[in-house]
Amino acid sequence: EPEVTQTPSHQVTQMGQEVILRCVPISNHLYFYWYRQILGQKVEFLVSFYNNEISEKSEIFDDQFSVERPDGSNFTLKIRSTKLEDSAMYFCASRGQSSYNSPLHFGNGTRLTVT
Amino acid sequence: QKEVEQNSGPLSVPEGAIASLNCTYSDRGSQSFFWYRQYSGKSPELIMFIYSNGDKEDGRFTAQLNKASQYVSLLIRDSQPSDSATYLCAVTGGDYGQNFVFGPGTRLSVLP
Repeated sequence: EPEVTQTPSHQVTQMGQEVILRCVPISNHLYFYWYRQILGQKVEFLVSFYNNEISEKSEIFDDQFSVERPDGSNFTLKIRSTKLEDSAMYFCASRGQSSYNSPLHFGNGTRLTVT
Repeated sequence: QKEVEQNSGPLSVPEGAIASLNCTYSDRGSQSFFWYRQYSGKSPELIMFIYSNGDKEDGRFTAQLNKASQYVSLLIRDSQPSDSATYLCAVTGGDYGQNFVFGPGTRLSVLP
């Protein structure tokens, strides 16, 4: 069964450093998402991406964050200058269609630790 | 404000019992409702979804939707210890657009 792939599984970085989290969505999917989950808290929406542009973003997704689809398969989340509070699990998800019965498919996540 | 609410639990049920998980949402225009299961340290995995009022069954799982009351539930029959996890309710459509808004999750513990 097709799956969403995320790398790396765990990233440790120092405060102020830039990180890039990588995702390969399911190949025929059109909608891409990043969510994050701080330990013990809820899954929070960051950004959605369709047709090579951001379609929606949350208040969390400030100027420190950016997303890119550099080629036909990868979807990346960049955090320019990491803060301690960026430590979380980051999930990439994709969706095949916009119809209301099309679910999100999640990758295994990248655990980001900022020290 | 767009909100999806769930009892945080933990909800404890004995093995073989029915577990009932509830979710309420604030946007009356919401269109689709998804239940995900999340084991500790893992990503959410889809259990089932519902978009019409009434019940929808899939194996041991039944989703129930009442749009007038803005309420969706998940029943797990013949609960097994392997069902012990956090169950996430997610809502999309309406003011949420293509976004999926997740509730905080209910932690279920099935006792052998």
